Amino acid sequence: QKEVEQNSGPLSVPEGAIASLNCTYSDRVSQSFFWYRQYSGKSPELIMSIYSNGDKEDGRFTAQLNKASQYVSLLIRDSQPSDSATYLCAVNERGGNKLTFGTGTQLKVEL
Amino acid sequence: SQTIHQWPATLVQPVGSPLSLECTVEGTSNPNLYWYRQAAGRGLQLLFYSVGIGQISSEVPQNLSASRPQDRQFILSSKKLLLSDSGFYLCAWSAHRANYGYTFGSGTRLTVV
Repeated sequence: QKEVEQNSGPLSVPEGAIASLNCTYSDRVSQSFFWYRQYSGKSPELIMSIYSNGDKEDGRFTAQLNKASQYVSLLIRDSQPSDSATYLCAVNERGGNKLTFGTGTQLKVEL
Repeated sequence: SQTIHQWPATLVQPVGSPLSLECTVEGTSNPNLYWYRQAAGRGLQLLFYSVGIGQISSEVPQNLSASRPQDRQFILSSKKLLLSDSGFYLCAWSAHRANYGYTFGSGTRLTVV
């Protein structure tokens, strides 16, 4: 059983739309949650972190966490072609030294 | 501010040759350090991590090894490369307990021929 699951996509949205990326995790005591963006051929870049239930907004990005349902999501408003990338969800289980990554969702923003 | 350096950016090596990839971190002390591999179109596979000098945890048995000779230096090695060792190798660092996530280096694309 995968510990952090994401739909691999590709998720295609038109420019200007809201992109919704979802992630579920298995460990109920997970404490820290992260979203990384990875452009093709590049290394992952941390774009959002969230630690408590609810929403956290940063510019066009909103991370949502629901610990009871064990899911975390990323909303991208006013999607741009430059948002086209693979988005990785990562979870720090039990406050340990390692993050567990999902396999990523490929997002394509079309003109 | 903290920075992480990883080199080389690309590497083409013949099967059976040795490998040494180096990663260094600046601007922090006693970081956690990690080596990941990402095969083409695949997810991140944790290879090794270290919470201190000389302390190495191996996640996946293979013909690779890691060493941490200094606080902010992490080295990935192999004595004899296999074709299956090809991939994108990423070094990352975090603060203690990774509560603030990782910062990744720019990666090394290794092709074993």
